Amino acid sequence: EVQLVETGGGLVQPGRSLKLSCVASGFTFNNYWMSWTRQAPGKGLEWVASITNSGGSTYYPDSVKGRFTISRDNAQNTLYLQMNSLRSEDTATYYCTRRVPFDYWGQGVMVTVSS
Amino acid sequence: NIVLTQSPATLSVTPGESVSLSCRASQSISTSIHWYQQKSNESPRLLIKYASQSISGIPSRFSGSGSGTDFTLSINRVESEDFSIYYCQQSYSSLYTFGAGTKLELK
Repeated sequence: EVQLVETGGGLVQPGRSLKLSCVASGFTFNNYWMSWTRQAPGKGLEWVASITNSGGSTYYPDSVKGRFTISRDNAQNTLYLQMNSLRSEDTATYYCTRRVPFDYWGQGVMVTVSS
Repeated sequence: NIVLTQSPATLSVTPGESVSLSCRASQSISTSIHWYQQKSNESPRLLIKYASQSISGIPSRFSGSGSGTDFTLSINRVESEDFSIYYCQQSYSSLYTFGAGTKLELK
């Protein structure tokens, strides 16, 4: 059974950093692109970052480019999202997803950016 | 960036009705459109991929069509469990984007 479990969320002050993790199981992790998608409270879905299966290429929308970094450890079956210079508008539930289209989603982890 | 426009924003229906939800792309994207369903307080799930390809485990009443810029998600005979929000997403560009969603609600 495919499982994606996100951790690392919480309350953080504006301008600070936070790193999310997503542990994958039930499939061969290094065969798949992985992504992060977020959803602000009461709002729609916003794609945040993607990484190729080898980790050699990454993709970001302008809203997070230069502040967020997606990475992966294929030996540990783990996906990461390093978030720097956090803003109030980054407050959201962050989901880890597999491949494109996003065929499996984690349960999500909440990130709140507030002073 | 490719913009996806979903309509209507809200659709009020009674169980048993058949409905069509629209997603329009700002440029031609071939069939690189995918549909997701999100029930309240749950993670989204993939319903349809590449405009019309079915997904294992998804009821057959869900179907998709379209190519180029205009796409449709159809639900044949809506059931009570279908009341949720539906999003389209494009993967024509590696800068993936979602539509704003259509909320299917009970009339």
